[in-house]
Amino acid sequence: QQQVKQSPQSLIVQKGGISIINCAYENTAFDYFPWYQQFPGKGPALLIAIRPDVSEKKEGRFTISFNKSAKQFSLHIMDSQPGDSATYFCAASNPNDYKLSFGAGTTVTVRA
Amino acid sequence: KAGVTQTPRYLIKTRGQQVTLSCSPISGHRSVSWYQQTPGQGLQFLFEYFSETQRNKGNFPGRFSGRQFSNSRSEMNVSTLELGDSALYLCASSFQWGSSYNEQFFGPGTRLTVL
Repeated sequence: QQQVKQSPQSLIVQKGGISIINCAYENTAFDYFPWYQQFPGKGPALLIAIRPDVSEKKEGRFTISFNKSAKQFSLHIMDSQPGDSATYFCAASNPNDYKLSFGAGTTVTVRA
Repeated sequence: KAGVTQTPRYLIKTRGQQVTLSCSPISGHRSVSWYQQTPGQGLQFLFEYFSETQRNKGNFPGRFSGRQFSNSRSEMNVSTLELGDSALYLCASSFQWGSSYNEQFFGPGTRLTVL
């Protein structure tokens, strides 16, 4: 079963708007939470990542918010641009076996 | 530095056949992981190899197998193909194994279609 639940499946945002993608997990052993960005015809690429001892991490227009008690984390894309149109995957790493569990993905479309 | 390369990029097979996919990691990377990507399922972990040894395995039937060579190149094999095996198969390499924080670098994938 999916160890990391991701929503929404897809979203459309206007240029300059904010895109928000949410993920939830059950396994409290997870110790690393990366986000990957995938363009059509390409493999996923690491976008930004956070460790559970930090509540927020920002890199440019991309921010991860992490709520350890709720076992949830989210990606915010500020000032969304057409070049941000891609599929985004959240993931979580298990320190017991170093496996990455991925969410099902969110397709973001930014309208100009 | 060249990225992860996967061959072939596209493959069409029929049910019952077998297929071998190849992955060349980034130079110096010794860990290779394989994932199956299907719409709505995201990436499902298949297995991971480090120093020619399988370190992890996902929940896939025994028809899915893999190996890693001494130069870190890896192959995965799927025998007795089923329609449900149609997917994008992704290979990812990382410098080492044994840490949650190893960044994985993905190749472009092999698109397998089973008819």
